[in-house]
Amino acid sequence: DTAVSQTPKYLVTQMGNDKSIKCEQNLGHDTMYWYKQDSKKFLKIMFSYNNKELIINETVPNRFSPKSPDKAHLNLHINSLELGDSAVYFCASSQQDRGHKIGQFFGPGTRLTVL
Amino acid sequence: DAKTTQPNSMESNEEEPVHLPCNHSTISGTDYIHWYRQLPSQGPEYVIHGLTSNVNNRMASLAIAEDRKSSTLILHRATLRDAAVYYCILYTPGTYKYIFGTGTRLKVLA
Repeated sequence: DTAVSQTPKYLVTQMGNDKSIKCEQNLGHDTMYWYKQDSKKFLKIMFSYNNKELIINETVPNRFSPKSPDKAHLNLHINSLELGDSAVYFCASSQQDRGHKIGQFFGPGTRLTVL
Repeated sequence: DAKTTQPNSMESNEEEPVHLPCNHSTISGTDYIHWYRQLPSQGPEYVIHGLTSNVNNRMASLAIAEDRKSSTLILHRATLRDAAVYYCILYTPGTYKYIFGTGTRLKVLA
């Protein structure tokens, strides 16, 4: 069974469109994250939710809106897509009270290409 | 933001040990040292972590300096499948933040 899954794996869209990426974890973790990895391979945290509550929001444009319907899911909606949004987006999860001991588990990534 | 410093790249021959260094001179007393690796076209995966003592697991060993200002990830026998970017991260419990730096790209030569 996949621990952290993301859909879709690839997403190609036009500038100005709105798109969503979904993430699900079956590890029973209480904390989920979104990361962006750009073309230079730098991995940067965007958001983190703990028990459905937003706890990290790192200087990300308002066009990006995360939503956590429950502890096992964290979706990312992006409005008015721009060329600079092209990147690989990774979802991750951890258990907060043991995060320092077990680390994070990452999904396979969603490669977003904005034309 | 990254609080760790790693060499950009390293090379190793297959089946030889690899020592990947990481400097974290501003580490605080509660920070854990985590290592992740990212294989090509995959998400990062946890490798090992430690606080003060050296650690071993099935993937690697982690050697932590006595002053904790540096650490070394040791792959005992590198294989071609170990070619990846290795990230050294400091994690402060309760902050929810794992700050990834630029990592070390390990190339394993057959």
